[in-house]
Parts: sequence; C-alpha cells; structure tokens
Amino acid sequence: QSALTQPASVSGSPGQSITISCTGTSSDIGSNNLVSWYQQHPGKAPKLMIYEVSQWPSGVSNRFSGSKSGNTASLTISGLQAEDEADYYCSSYAGSSTYVIFGGGTKVTVL
Amino acid sequence: QLQLQESGPGLVKPSETLSLTCTVSGGSISNSSYYWGWIRQPPGKGLEWIGNVYYSGNSYYNPSLKSRVTISVDTSKNQFSLNLSSVAAADTAVYYCARHFRSGGWFVQQWGQGTLVTVSS
Repeated sequence: QSALTQPASVSGSPGQSITISCTGTSSDIGSNNLVSWYQQHPGKAPKLMIYEVSQWPSGVSNRFSGSKSGNTASLTISGLQAEDEADYYCSSYAGSSTYVIFGGGTKVTVL
Repeated sequence: QLQLQESGPGLVKPSETLSLTCTVSGGSISNSSYYWGWIRQPPGKGLEWIGNVYYSGNSYYNPSLKSRVTISVDTSKNQFSLNLSSVAAADTAVYYCARHFRSGGWFVQQWGQGTLVTVSS
C-alpha cells in the first residue's frame, strides 16, 4: 500500500487560514471515518491534533479542524500563528488490511 | 502521567536483528483500551507505521514489513518490544514507541521521545 498523498508544503501569513489535503483510496480514507492528524516540530515526537476525522484531543486548540469528503481528508488551521510552523502528517486506518497508513507529510510555513 | 521510554542499541550491523524495548510508566500496559506499537521515521523523511500489540499478545503489522517484524509484550515488566530482522541501511530511522487507542482507528495518543537507530557496519 502506498502512503497517503499530501502536498509537500503549504504557507500562509499570520492570522490567515490554510488547508492541508490528504488523499487516499476507497480502502483507507474512503472506507471509514478513522483519519487522524499529527503535528511535529523539528527534533520532537509528533503530537495528536485531530482524531476520527474531526475530533479534538484534550488540550488542542479549536483553531485546528478536520473534515473528509470521499477519499480525501483535510486539516484546516485558522488564525495561523508562528507556533503552528511545523510538519503535519495525516493517518488513516486501513481496516481491510488491519494496519495504519501515514501521509508523506506537509511542511507548514508561517510567512 | 503516562510516559513511554525507548531503549536499545543505537547502532546495528547490516543483516542483524534490531531489538528495542519500550518501558511504560504511569499506567498499566494491561489497560484494555490501548494497543502498544512502533512507528519509525528515517532521517528527513515521513512516518511509517510498523505494527502494534495488545496486552493479550495479539499483534498486527505493516504488510510491507511483516516478514521481518515481531512485536511482543511483557505485562509483568510493563514493557513491549520490537524485533526487526535482516536490517539494511534503509532501516536507519528514529524509532518511536506509541500508545494507540483501541478504537477510533488506532490513533496514537501518546508517543515516546524516539530513539535513533543507525544500520551500518
């Protein structure tokens, strides 16, 4: 199975909104609502930002929101802040094969 | 607060077996709500799911690594382990141990700090 497809980079100015897409197939993203998103700052472990497409873990800002349509999931960051500059990874459960697949990652730059 | 800590050799020779252990503190590995797994990240690259294990011993693996991977659990020590056989340079990566929520698609709630394993002679 191939990795989920994400844009290599997305940028925006402080205060703006940006959206990161994550495209899979009918075997993973398209087959369930089990998409999660992770934020990773350089040299650090990833951090869970969204689970089950649009749910927030405790302590995560509601400036981060998730959605899904068909085989594509999206993460939107509203009110972009300097601290949001990081790599973002999507992930989906591939139930038919009973495993987890990640996207290739998107580098978010705050201009 | 739950903590995960990876341990093991930082250097492994090609064709040998990579072995890592994750020690869980601040919580029980026998908690039925979670799976315990491994995820790796080659330098400068993205994340790759390796597999996970339930406290009962049931395990699941990435199909691309399945022939070389074993993940096991030791509830008496509150630890779980990764064995990856016949390693090559492409297996050089930061290896993270992780706590997966049992439902919801196995999203990772908690990560270890990660440990760099280099495959080189």
